[in-house]
Order: sequence, then structure tokens, then C-alpha cells
Amino acid sequence: ILNVEQSPQSLHVQEGDSTNFTCSFPSSNFYALHWYRWETAKSPEALFVMTLNGDEKKKGRISATLNTKEGYSYLYIKGSQPEDSATYLCAFQGVDNFNKFYFGSGTKLNVKP
Amino acid sequence: KAGVTQTPRYLIKTRGQQVTLSCSPISGHRSVSWYQQTPGQGLQFLFEYFSETQRNKGNFPGRFSGRQFSNSRSEMNVSTLELGDSALYLCASSQEPTEAFFGQGTRLTVV
Repeated sequence: ILNVEQSPQSLHVQEGDSTNFTCSFPSSNFYALHWYRWETAKSPEALFVMTLNGDEKKKGRISATLNTKEGYSYLYIKGSQPEDSATYLCAFQGVDNFNKFYFGSGTKLNVKP
Repeated sequence: KAGVTQTPRYLIKTRGQQVTLSCSPISGHRSVSWYQQTPGQGLQFLFEYFSETQRNKGNFPGRFSGRQFSNSRSEMNVSTLELGDSALYLCASSQEPTEAFFGQGTRLTVV
């Protein structure tokens, strides 16, 4: 069984705080790592696809890094806003089975005004 | 471009019944995957179809089945429903291996 773990499970921050989450995945058989943002009653929205060790991606106040050798990725949100409140999911794709995404349980972020 | 459409959005069924969920992918996308989310669990892979062929299957009992039509629309069927099948079912479509665009899901409640 392939394990993808996310921490923390939930996070409560004040508006303006910066925050980060962790996604751990197998360090072997790596093909890609995905980050999604999922608001209640909406579709999960793709944030980043990361494929190379050392990758750093940025979209506005959100950025992500990737370390495939040690099997982890960080997602950072700078200056959190209430509209950032959502569940953030990561998903691992392996080389031998890349049609299948393995998801973590997500980190639920709540940003208080 | 229209997104991934899942119907119905909500469904209530009785134990022992069967149910069919539908997923219309983004136009041009030939791959459709299905995932289940139960309370406290991450998204669990059910199966993936490409050009009407099942390419991959997750660890679910045979009561869970699916198919894909020539227009890439996909259906999943769950027979002999159990209470534990209550979940959010998401489908995703893609054109490239490193992408997956999700629908809003079908919330199934089994009573």
C-alpha cells in the first residue's frame, strides 16, 4: 500500500499570517506530485504539478517546493486571506502506474479575518 | 470550455439497491478516473478508463463497476449498496498524464 501523508490535518490562522503544509510520499518510483485546493461544495482545483527534484512553483501568494529524494513537498501561503480557507490536497503519481493518483487526506485551512 | 460534469449531485438510496453515477468529461479528454471519499479518508482511486477501456482499477469489491462510452462519457455503478458506500464520488478527466480536472462530485447517501 502506497502512503501519502499530509500534515497538519487542520490549521487555524489569522488573516495575514503565513503558513505551510507538508506532503510526504514514497521517494522511489516518482513521476509527479500534485497540489490541489478544494473548497466546500466545489471541484478540487489544481494548483501545481511538480515533476523535477528541486522544483519550485509559485502562483500569487502560494508557492510549493519538491524534494523527490527524501519524498516531501511543502506548500506555502504568504499573508493568508479568508478566501484561502479550503482543504489543500496533495497527490502522488508513480512511474509504474501513472494513471492513478494517490491522495493524502488533506490539510484543512481556516483563515480568520 | 465546459468543465467536468457529474450527475446527479445528490442521491439517497436504500441498502441493497443499485446506483449509477454519470460523468461527462471536458471536451477532447479521453481519460476518465473515479475516486471515492468517505469521512476521514483521502480520495481513494476506483478505476480509470481511456477510449472505452479500463486501464486501471483500485482495491474495491466487484460491486463497483464502470464503463466508458465512445463519446468519453463514463458511468460507474454500485450494486447491492451497503451503508459504507455512503461517500462523495468524484470523477476527473484528463488529456495528458500529469493532469486531472475534477467534477463537483456526487454525494451518495445509503440508508
